[in-house]
Amino acid sequence: GENVEQHPSTLSVQEGDSAVIKCTYSDSASNYFPWYKQELGKRPQLIIDIRSNVGEKKDQRIAVTLNKTAKHFSLHITETQPEDSAVYFCAASNPAGGFKTIFGAGTRLFVKA
Amino acid sequence: DVKVTQSSRYLVKRTGEKVFLECVQDMDHENMFWYRQDPGLGLRLIYFSYDVKMKEKGDIPEGYSVSREKKERFSLILESASTNQTSMYLCASRMDREDTQYFGPGTRLTVL
Repeated sequence: GENVEQHPSTLSVQEGDSAVIKCTYSDSASNYFPWYKQELGKRPQLIIDIRSNVGEKKDQRIAVTLNKTAKHFSLHITETQPEDSAVYFCAASNPAGGFKTIFGAGTRLFVKA
Repeated sequence: DVKVTQSSRYLVKRTGEKVFLECVQDMDHENMFWYRQDPGLGLRLIYFSYDVKMKEKGDIPEGYSVSREKKERFSLILESASTNQTSMYLCASRMDREDTQYFGPGTRLTVL
C-alpha cells in the first residue's frame, strides 16, 4: 500500500543552525504535501504545504522542496530557534482522488540554546 | 478560525469497557477522520467519514467502530477496550475535496 518514509526520526541542532527533514512517498498520484508541527501536548498544526505543480515554496524561515521524479520532498528550517523544537510530520495525499492522507512517522527536532 | 474539539484530553478505562471518544467541528466540514498516534508510527488512520451516516475503514479499523449521526460530530467507539488500544487519539476535519485537515487537541487514552 501507499506509504511515506520520513528521516531522520530525531534531529538535534544548535540554535541558529539549519534543520532538514526528508520524506519519500510511494503513490505517484499524490499531489499535495503538507507539513505539520506538533508541539508537546498540542495538536498538529499545518505550517507549510506544497502542491505537485510547484518545486519549492518558502515562508520566512521555513521552506519546502519537491522532486516529483524522485518522489521526494523536504522541509528546511533556517536560523532555528528553541521554539522550533517539536515533532514534525510530513504527509502526502491526492485530495481530488480520495480521502486518505498518508503521514510519515514524524521527526522530533531539538533546538539547543 | 476552524475549531475541532474532543470530549476528553485524558481518559483512563479498564480492559473490556466500552469507550466513546467524541469529536465536534464547527466549520460545516463534510469529511472527518480518526487517527491514533503512537511513537515511531506517526498518525495512522482508523476510520473516516465523508458525510453524515457515511463511514469508511482506514488502515487500522480492527477493534473500533464509528458513528456520524450529525455533520458536526464524529464518534469513535472502542467496543471492548484492550491494553493495546492505549494511545493518543486525534480527530481531524476537512472541507470536501480541500487539502488542509484541522486537528483536535487529542485524547490520551490509557486502558488498564
